[in-house]
Amino acid sequence: GESVGLHLPTLSVQEGDNSIINCAYSNSASDYFIWYKQESGKGPQFIIDIRSNMDKRQGQRVTVLLNKTVKHLSLQIAATQPGDSAVYFCAEGYNAGNMLTFGGGTRLMVKP
Amino acid sequence: DVKVTQSSRYLVKRTGEKVFLECVQDMDHENMFWYRQDPGLGLRLIYFSYDVKMKEKGDIPEGYSVSREKKERFSLILESASTNQTSMYLCASTPPGAYYGYTFGSGTRLTVV
Repeated sequence: GESVGLHLPTLSVQEGDNSIINCAYSNSASDYFIWYKQESGKGPQFIIDIRSNMDKRQGQRVTVLLNKTVKHLSLQIAATQPGDSAVYFCAEGYNAGNMLTFGGGTRLMVKP
Repeated sequence: DVKVTQSSRYLVKRTGEKVFLECVQDMDHENMFWYRQDPGLGLRLIYFSYDVKMKEKGDIPEGYSVSREKKERFSLILESASTNQTSMYLCASTPPGAYYGYTFGSGTRLTVV
């Protein structure tokens, strides 16, 4: 079956730098994408989502970029802080069907 | 804010025990899901439910069953716990239709000894 994947399992950045976490998806029918953050010992928390009719969406310090041509999704975190240290998952869905497919996760480590 | 509550954060059970993991959501969501999360394997869907009394198998239902007697509560049952069911279990819910992400509970870390 088709699945969502991630290029980098671990990303280490300096505090204050910008972080970019990438995700490749393979289902061309997917039209809804979400990024989740999971801190140690906690459940995943919704960060930001994007529909396929958009290329970019911004939140507070976070931006999601969608490139449908190459089936690529990225999460940009501006001015990364120690509290951003976590595992980040992308997820995809389609046709408002409520069934999401999750990527394997990237661990973001922020160095002080 | 939607709240998904899992009754236990940590559980230790013996092999062969029947284990109940409880999940309650407070926003009248129709859809509820149970996942397990293991290092290197990501989130794997065990069972889901789109309505009361309704259940559907996910990708790895073997060794598990579920119960949805009330809309707000979705229980995962390990009929006879085994050591390979040691894992983090995550419950999630979402309203039907449209485009919504899941709201997850805090997880239950189950250890079977």
